[in-house]
Amino acid sequence: GENVEQHPSTLSVQEGDSAVIKCTYSDSASNYFPWYKQELGKRPQLIIDIRSNVGEKKDQRIAVTLNKTAKHFSLHITETQPEDSAVYFCAPKSGGSYIPTFGRGTSLIVHP
Amino acid sequence: DTEVTQTPKHLVMGMTNKKSLKCEQHMGHRAMYWYKQKAKKPPELMFVYSYEKLSINESVPSRFSPECPNSSLLNLHLHALQPEDSALYLCASSQDHGLDYGYTFGSGTRLTVV
Repeated sequence: GENVEQHPSTLSVQEGDSAVIKCTYSDSASNYFPWYKQELGKRPQLIIDIRSNVGEKKDQRIAVTLNKTAKHFSLHITETQPEDSAVYFCAPKSGGSYIPTFGRGTSLIVHP
Repeated sequence: DTEVTQTPKHLVMGMTNKKSLKCEQHMGHRAMYWYKQKAKKPPELMFVYSYEKLSINESVPSRFSPECPNSSLLNLHLHALQPEDSALYLCASSQDHGLDYGYTFGSGTRLTVV
């Protein structure tokens, strides 16, 4: 199966700073790369995704970049706000099994 | 309607009880999923239904029994559970299991087995 590693496991920033979370994967056939945000006690929510034919995608303060050669993709959050505090999961999807493999999660804490 | 609805939100059951979790979506999604999530862990896949047929069972114990009555509904029948089965049970759906679309998750059922 796919090996997925997510770093860092915890990230603490001041409001207004940028945050970057990296996800590495092992399956070169992976072709879909989403990020989910899960606030405490709530459901995971898809916040941004990228497909293998694109290198970068942006949506307001969040962006995702993909390096297929190196097999990693990253979530970038600019101008962080306290409401960005949550656990973020990457979940690359293998082209073979169609099953996403969730990373272990990154707990982002934004201090006001 | 862009939501996945799960009931009940909370459930406490004894080890000899039988209960069912329910999940409903009206987005026309053809794939539905059951996930189990323990505290501070990522969701773990249990079952995949694609076009109302069970396509993946991730070696889940038989005390968990899924059912898909139609394209909008997914149930999870529980019987003779153990305390270690206490967790958040999440239902999710996607447009198609084989295509590159993300999941829409329900709010989950927080299950406690006593």
